Amino acid sequence: KQEVTQIPAALSVPEGENLVLNCSFTDSAIYNLQWFRQDPGKGLTSLLLIQSSQREQTSGRLNASLDKSSGRSTLYIAASQPGDSATYLCAVTTGGTSYGKLTFGQGTILTVHP
Amino acid sequence: KAGVTQTPRYLIKTRGQQVTLSCSPISGHRSVSWYQQTPGQGLQFLFEYFSETQRNKGNFPGRFSGRQFSNSRSEMNVSTLELGDSALYLCASISGRGTGELFFGEGSRLTVL
Repeated sequence: KQEVTQIPAALSVPEGENLVLNCSFTDSAIYNLQWFRQDPGKGLTSLLLIQSSQREQTSGRLNASLDKSSGRSTLYIAASQPGDSATYLCAVTTGGTSYGKLTFGQGTILTVHP
Repeated sequence: KAGVTQTPRYLIKTRGQQVTLSCSPISGHRSVSWYQQTPGQGLQFLFEYFSETQRNKGNFPGRFSGRQFSNSRSEMNVSTLELGDSALYLCASISGRGTGELFFGEGSRLTVL
C-alpha cells in the first residue's frame, strides 16, 4: 500500500527566505507526482506535475524535483512571500487505470511572515 | 476555459438524511475523481469515473456512491448520514492528455448535525 509522508508538518519563515518542503513515498512504481497548494477552506490548486521519467519541473519561483528510486520529492520555493502562506500537499499516482487515484501526504502548513 | 464546478458549496444535514453533490468537470475532460478531506484523515480517495464507468473505488462503506453522466458531469451520494461524514468533498477533473494531471474544484462543505 502506497504511503506518502511530508516533512515538516509546519514551517514558519520570514519573508524572502528560500525554503524546501519534503515528500517521500514508499512504493517507487509511480506514474507521476503532483504538488498542490490549498488555502484555508478552498480546493486544491495544482502547482507542478512531474512524470515518473522526469527529474524536475519549474514554474516561476517554484522548483520540484523527483528521485523515484529513493522515493523522494522536494519542492523548493525561492524568495518566499506572505502570499505563499498555505498548505502544500504532494500526491502520487500509479497510473494505468488509476490516473485519478492519488495518494496524498498530510501536507506542510507554510506561514511566511512579513 | 471554465474550471471544475461543484455544487452546492455548503450544506447542513442531520444524521440519517442523505445528500447528493454535483461536479461539472473541465470541458473536454472525461474522467472525474472524488475525494473526502477531514482534519483527522486528510485527503482520501472515494471513486473515479471515466466515460460513465466507475474505474476505481476507495475504501468507503456502501453508503457512498457515485455516478457519471454522458456529458461527464458526476454526482456522488451519501445515504444515512453520520456525524463522521462531515467533511470537505472535492471533485477533480483529469486531463485527457495522458499526463494524469488533476484539477480540483472548490469543494462542497458538508456538515452533519
